[in-house]
This record gives sequence, C-alpha cells and structure tokens, in this order.
Amino acid sequence: DTAVSQTPKYLVTQMGNDKSIKCEQNLGHDTMYWYKQDSKKFLKIMFSYNNKELIINETVPNRFSPKSPDKAHLNLHINSLELGDSAVYFCASSPLTGGQETQYFGPGTRLLVL
Amino acid sequence: GNSVTQMEGPVTLSEEAFLTINCTYTATGYPSLFWYVQYPGEGLQLLLKATKADDKGSNKGFEATYRKETTSFHLEKGSVQVSDSAVYFCALRPYNTDKLIFGTGTRLQVFP
Repeated sequence: DTAVSQTPKYLVTQMGNDKSIKCEQNLGHDTMYWYKQDSKKFLKIMFSYNNKELIINETVPNRFSPKSPDKAHLNLHINSLELGDSAVYFCASSPLTGGQETQYFGPGTRLLVL
Repeated sequence: GNSVTQMEGPVTLSEEAFLTINCTYTATGYPSLFWYVQYPGEGLQLLLKATKADDKGSNKGFEATYRKETTSFHLEKGSVQVSDSAVYFCALRPYNTDKLIFGTGTRLQVFP
C-alpha cells in the first residue's frame, strides 16, 4: 500500500564516500522530485524528473546525480560526500508536470556524514 | 521572486485552544497554496490546499483561505489536540511550474 517509498531510511557514512538513495512510487505518477531538508527544517527542491527526463535542477553541486531508470523510480547518487550533505532527503511524486497537482512525499532518508 | 514567510515557532498551546499559524507569500501570477504537516520522525503529508483566490482548503478540522488581497494563507483550527503536535509547512507552487517553495516551518506543541 506504500505510495512513495525510500530506502534506506537512515544512512550514516564517512566523508568522501559515495552513496545512493532509492525512491519508488506506485501511484502511476509521471513526475518525481528530490527535496533536501536541512537541520533547521528548511526544505528546498533539488531536482524533478518527468517521464525520465530532467525538468528542474536547482543549482545542486554536480556531486549529486539523479537517475531515473523508469518513471516509477528516481534514485539519488551522491559522490564524495561532505559534512554539509547531512540532511533529510525527501522524494516526492505528482501525476503531471506544470499543473496544480498535489505532490506526495516519501518518509525521508536521514543522511549523516561523519 | 517567489517566497513564503511563516511565523516562527514554536507555538505552544493547551489542548482545545484555538490555533492560528500565519503564512504570507510573494509570487508572480496565480500560485497554488498548500499546507503540509510533518509529524515527529515522519515525512510530509499534505494537509490542505487551495488553487485560486478565495478558495478555502480544509481537512481534519484545519482550514486556510487563499487571500489574494493580503497574499496570505493562514492556517486555523478551532480546537487543537495533543496529536496535532507537529511541524507545519506553508508552501506555494507558482503557476505552471512543478516547484514547491516552502516556508521555514512552524513547530506546534500541544499540551494536555
């Protein structure tokens, strides 16, 4: 019954490592997103994909590379992790792009870089 | 540019008190407006939304009215419960874009 799921839920890693976060939605939506929530709870969009095509890239460092193997999945790969990457990363999806559709969020992945 | 401003928290209330969390926005055109709620340790859930001026969104006893003249979308509830304790985010979605722009969130703490 899970609509938008993310794995892992928690991720603790060392600086300099490479890690991936996976996101899957079973809602049949065409558009998926990644958001970052910092330690002060501030939420900001990072990327959006529509039918596997990149739509939004909010000047995120190129160490972050989203990958969409199909429209139900949007994974986030992070190279050379830095301390400032510690945050909660939320995946979301919505039915259409450019409309007034609601975005549905996953439970979040809590990343801690040591 | 587009931005959302929320009142700073935490907002601390006793059970059954009246709640208002202020939200104002700056946007070009006609954005859609949203309130999301984040319960402790969980992800964001859509609480309510309004897509045009004078629309009222409502859910679970919460209400917010899209006021274009004051560029506001204040969240209200007549009688809060301990289970309403969470962080509440106001957000806007500019017309014809996918980007959700969030406020900084307001933590609500309700005590018995």
